[in-house]
Parts: sequence; C-alpha cells; structure tokens
Amino acid sequence: EPEVTQTPSHQVTQMGQEVILRCVPISNHLYFYWYRQILGQKVEFLVSFYNNEISEKSEIFDDQFSVERPDGSNFTLKIRSTKLEDSAMYFCASLGDTTYEQYFGPGTRLTVT
Amino acid sequence: EDQVTQSPEALRLQEGESSSLNCSYTVSGLRGLFWYRQDPGKGPEFLFTLYSAGEEKEKERLKATLTKKESFLHITAPKPEDSATYLCAVFLARGGPGGGSEKLVFGKGTKLTVNP
Repeated sequence: EPEVTQTPSHQVTQMGQEVILRCVPISNHLYFYWYRQILGQKVEFLVSFYNNEISEKSEIFDDQFSVERPDGSNFTLKIRSTKLEDSAMYFCASLGDTTYEQYFGPGTRLTVT
Repeated sequence: EDQVTQSPEALRLQEGESSSLNCSYTVSGLRGLFWYRQDPGKGPEFLFTLYSAGEEKEKERLKATLTKKESFLHITAPKPEDSATYLCAVFLARGGPGGGSEKLVFGKGTKLTVNP
C-alpha cells in the first residue's frame, strides 16, 4: 500500500541552525502539506503546495520557513534559523485529485537546543 | 474563526464498554470531516471521511456519523488495541482545488484508554 515517508525520524539541532526536513509523498498525489504538532497540542497547518507553488500558508509559516519540490518525488521543508519554539513533530501529508483524504507520514521529531 | 472542538479530552473504558466521542465544528467552506487515529509518536492514521449530514461510515468496531454541526465516533465493544488518540479534522477548501485555501483544521483529540 502506498505511503508517505519522512526523513529523518528525529533531528536534533542547535538554535540558529538551518534544518531541512524531507518527505516523499504518495507517487500520484498532486497536493502536498506540512503540519506541525507541539508536544501535547493539536496538529496545526503550516503550508499547502500545489503545481510547484504555495497555495496557502499559516501565520506560523513566516520568512524563516520555505518549501520546495526539488524533483518529482521529494518535498522539503526548510527552517532557516531554528528557534527553541520550533521544537515539534513535523508531519508531511499528500492528497490525490479524486478525494479529499490526506495521508500523513510518520513525522520528524525536531528538537532545538 | 474556524473551530473544531472534541470532547471528552480523555476517556477510560473497560474492554467491551461501548461509548462515543464527539466533534463539533464552526467553520465555513467545509468540504469534509475526517477522523484519524494517532498513536504516541506517530503520524495521524486515516480512518473515515464524511462529506454530508446523515452520512455514516463503519470500520470494525468504529462507526462515524455526521450532522450539520457535529460528528460522533462510536466505539462498540472496544479492545485494548483501540487505545489511541482519536483526532477529528475538517477539510476547508475555498476557491477550488489547487486554486485557494485547502487545509485540515484539527481538534485537540480525545485520548482513549481501554483497560483489559
């Protein structure tokens, strides 16, 4: 069964460093998303991406964040200069064009020290 | 403001003790309501999509229903392996596929514990 994959599963970084989180969406999906979940809190929308451009971004997704689909399979989230409050689980999700069902990856746990 | 509220926050059941989880929403541009299961440290696992009031979906011991303002996830004769956090999310799509806002807005979840 097709699934969304994410790497790494856990990333530890120092405050101010750049991190890139990687996702491989389901192969025939067209819409891609990043969400985050701070420990003990709800899953929050960050950004949606379609046709090689951002469709929508939340208030959280400021200039420190960027997304890219560098090739036909990967979808990345970059945080330019990490802050302590960026520590969270980051989930990638993808969506096909026949239903509204978003499928999530296993997540990357980002710890900023 | 779009809001999704789940209750209760936590629920403890004995094995075999049926119950229901609630998800109420106040949103505009609703295209669908989703239930996900989330195990600790894992990503949300898709369970059901409901698109219109009156719709029902079933999977094993779970049954999801939808009205105009809320959804219920009924758990019949639960087993310990049903222990997880159950997330409700509404899919908002304004402006058409790929042409506007499309995102899931989640509730905080209900943490279900089923004791043997």
